[in-house]
Amino acid sequence: DTAVSQTPKYLVTQMGNDKSIKCEQNLGHDTMYWYKQDSKKFLKIMFSYNNKELIINETVPNRFSPKSPDKAHLNLHINSLELGDSAVYFCASSQGREGKAKNIQYFGAGTRLSVL
Amino acid sequence: ILNVEQSPQSLHVQEGDSTNFTCSFPSSNFYALHWYRWETAKSPEALFVMTLNGDEKKKGRISATLNTKEGYSYLYIKGSQPEDSATYLCAFRLTTDSWGKLQFGAGTQVVVTP
Repeated sequence: DTAVSQTPKYLVTQMGNDKSIKCEQNLGHDTMYWYKQDSKKFLKIMFSYNNKELIINETVPNRFSPKSPDKAHLNLHINSLELGDSAVYFCASSQGREGKAKNIQYFGAGTRLSVL
Repeated sequence: ILNVEQSPQSLHVQEGDSTNFTCSFPSSNFYALHWYRWETAKSPEALFVMTLNGDEKKKGRISATLNTKEGYSYLYIKGSQPEDSATYLCAFRLTTDSWGKLQFGAGTQVVVTP
């Protein structure tokens, strides 16, 4: 069983479309994240939710909207896709909040988004 | 240093040789340093989390050290094997960062040739 699973693995779409990427974790974690791997290969945090509450919201265009229906799921919806949104997006999860320094994050396999 | 820097970007190692590489990070407001191993076509996997100056962690042939005063961590691979080929990422968190916010380096790609 995959611990953190993202769907789809590949997503090819036209500029201007709206798309969603889904993420589910079966680790019982209470915190989930979305990262974008940029052109220089850095993993950049976009959002984080803890128990369905938004706790990290980096400077991301408001065309990107995360949705957490429950603590096992964190989906990423992107409106009006642009060429620059092409990247690999990674979902991750971890357990715990303040006072627990470990915060080991478990990653999904990534979703490669190509905007044409 | 404002962000995390990893060097070298890549290295080639002969099977059986030992190697090491560096992660440099801001020494002010340090909270934690993570190392992840990322094999091609797989997900990054956590190797170590270190929080205290002088921390040393070991997992099999891989070990890491931490110097928070000068802002660097070394990862060592002893007796490299082809299965050690991967990109090794480090990530740090500052005390001023929100919970869970890790800032990742671009990684050191290690290729072990038989």
